[in-house]
Amino acid sequence: DAGITQSPRHKVTETGTPVTLRCHQTENHRYMYWYRQDPGHGLRLIHYSYGVKDTDKGEVSDGYSVSRSKTEDFLLTLESATSSQTSVYFCATTGSPRDTQYFGPGTRLTVL
Amino acid sequence: EDQVTQSPEALRLQEGESSSLNCSYTVSGLRGLFWYRQDPGKGPEFLFTLYSAGEEKEKERLKATLTKKESFLHITAPKPEDSATYLCAVLTDDYKLSFGAGTTVTVRA
Repeated sequence: DAGITQSPRHKVTETGTPVTLRCHQTENHRYMYWYRQDPGHGLRLIHYSYGVKDTDKGEVSDGYSVSRSKTEDFLLTLESATSSQTSVYFCATTGSPRDTQYFGPGTRLTVL
Repeated sequence: EDQVTQSPEALRLQEGESSSLNCSYTVSGLRGLFWYRQDPGKGPEFLFTLYSAGEEKEKERLKATLTKKESFLHITAPKPEDSATYLCAVLTDDYKLSFGAGTTVTVRA
């Protein structure tokens, strides 16, 4: 498995505050992804990166931005958190988009 | 629109009682189908990848099969430690994963 860590693992915040989640990988994988997981839904892609400084939108990107300044780090930012962004967020990485994506342990975010 | 549907949503089994999980899909193009296992509070853990109809993969008590419209995950003689949510995901033509909502399996001793 890829060495993937996410921080923080749990966070409670208030509506309107900015929040940044971090994904760190030690596998030198080029591709990194942010998903959210909600009850009754499958994992849904928020944003992904195909290299340093190269990112693109996924299915549910509204209200989120990302940045990747180093191969190993992929940041997800909620500029102004809303209650609808309460969710569990997972980071995934892979060396090739055809290959298996390996997932981190997740961050549980609650927006009050 | 790409759709991946898993059934049933939940499955309760007695230890040793074999069963199958279904993953049906309608997507623009299939580049691969992935099965993951997810335990409560953890990230998905990779199980299998299938690339073409007729392909099968096995690992311990699990066997995954693929047709042109669906995939099955067969659990043979399950044990309590097989209790988890099983996720199916399809890699589409644009090389993005579309996930089903999962099947939660509970195996009682």
